[in-house]
Formats: sequence, structure tokens, C-alpha cells
Amino acid sequence: QSVLTQPPSASGTPGQRVTISCSGSSSNIGVNYVYWYQQFPGTAPKVLIWRNNQRPPGVPDRFSGSKSGTSASLTISGLRSEDEADYYCTAWDDSLRGAVFGGGTQLTVL
Amino acid sequence: EVQLVESGGGLVKPGKSLRLSCAASGFIFNDAWMSWVRQAPGKGLEWVGRIKSETDGGTIAYAAPVKGRFTISRDDSKNMVYLEMNSLQTDDTAVYFCATPTPPRYWGQGTLVIVSS
Repeated sequence: QSVLTQPPSASGTPGQRVTISCSGSSSNIGVNYVYWYQQFPGTAPKVLIWRNNQRPPGVPDRFSGSKSGTSASLTISGLRSEDEADYYCTAWDDSLRGAVFGGGTQLTVL
Repeated sequence: EVQLVESGGGLVKPGKSLRLSCAASGFIFNDAWMSWVRQAPGKGLEWVGRIKSETDGGTIAYAAPVKGRFTISRDDSKNMVYLEMNSLQTDDTAVYFCATPTPPRYWGQGTLVIVSS
């Protein structure tokens, strides 16, 4: 069982907006940055959101991140077929003294 | 361009040891905090551990499942980070990613470790 909680699956149709949640606690999301990754089968994760809401160069502005209290969200606007992938959140946990990941959300574009 | 290239994976029997290496380039390695993350087949990402830069004390932290069995080290003269894995168990079967910093922004392509008799 993962320290950060994500829905195991999400779906949407092309053009829709989809939001993936990530729930944590006062020792991780509540006090540290949240990061979001996109991963396609057989490949390494790619960072989408850095430090809660920062997009690295090259990441489309369709992807946005937010954080409130002990929860965070990744929103994908204008959903495209190529967004079909697994998405993970992570944060440092001060109590565990380690990074913790969500269990991942498999996004399906219908 | 940041590049992280892992090597050393393979098939190993339970109870044995294996050392993974990660060659880094494209950034100031001496200042970097380096991480190892693994992913079991069909499962999610799991943080293994990280080593701070020597400038920041070189402190090492490990995830509970590997503490006491795995050792992370670095050689700044070679831009290399290592993961020494002892007393391997079947549950350690995974793709092991080298990444930086903590949490990671840049990832290697991963190296597969299979622990099986």
C-alpha cells in the first residue's frame, strides 16, 4: 500500500479535461513539494510537474499541477490520445525520511 | 543534456549480491543528489534511496525494505553512483533506475534485476 493515494485509473475523451488526485499527509505533501511523472510501458518516467506546479521546458501547458493542504492534483486539459499512460505523484516524507510515491494512475483516452 | 546510464543488472540467485552502476554526464555531478528508484514488473515506482552531494554532507538514506542490505555510494572523480545489493530476495526483482535529484527530475533508462533460483 502506497503512502500517497492515487486513483488506480482515470479516463476521458479527446479534448476533455481530466484531473488525477494525490492524497498524502502532514509529513509529506503537507510540507514538501509534489512532483508528477508520466510513464509509458517499458520506458523511464518523465517529469511533468516539478515543485507543485512548475513545468519543465518541453512539457505542454496542457499539463498543470496544484497543491492544497495535504493533497495535490494533476490536470490535463485538451486530452489527447498520446496522453494515455501511467501517472505518478511523489513527495519527500519527513517522518519516513525518504521519498514516497503514489501507486500510479492508469489514464485511458476513450 | 543530462544523461544517466545504468549498468550491472542481470539474473542472480536469492541470497546473492549484485552491484549496479550509473554513469552521469551533462550536469555538475559533484553538486548533485543522486537517487535510486525501482519498479517491480507490472507495479508502481518505489524509492530505494539517495545520496547527497559531499558538499551537503554525503548523507545516505534508504527505504525500509532495503535498509541494511543495500548500500549507495558515489565516486565524484568518475561521475559515478553505485548501488550495492546484498542478500537479494525475489521481491527485489525490478527495473532499477538511477535518477537525480531527490525527488528526481532526470532519470536513466533503467537496468533489470531478476532474483530467481
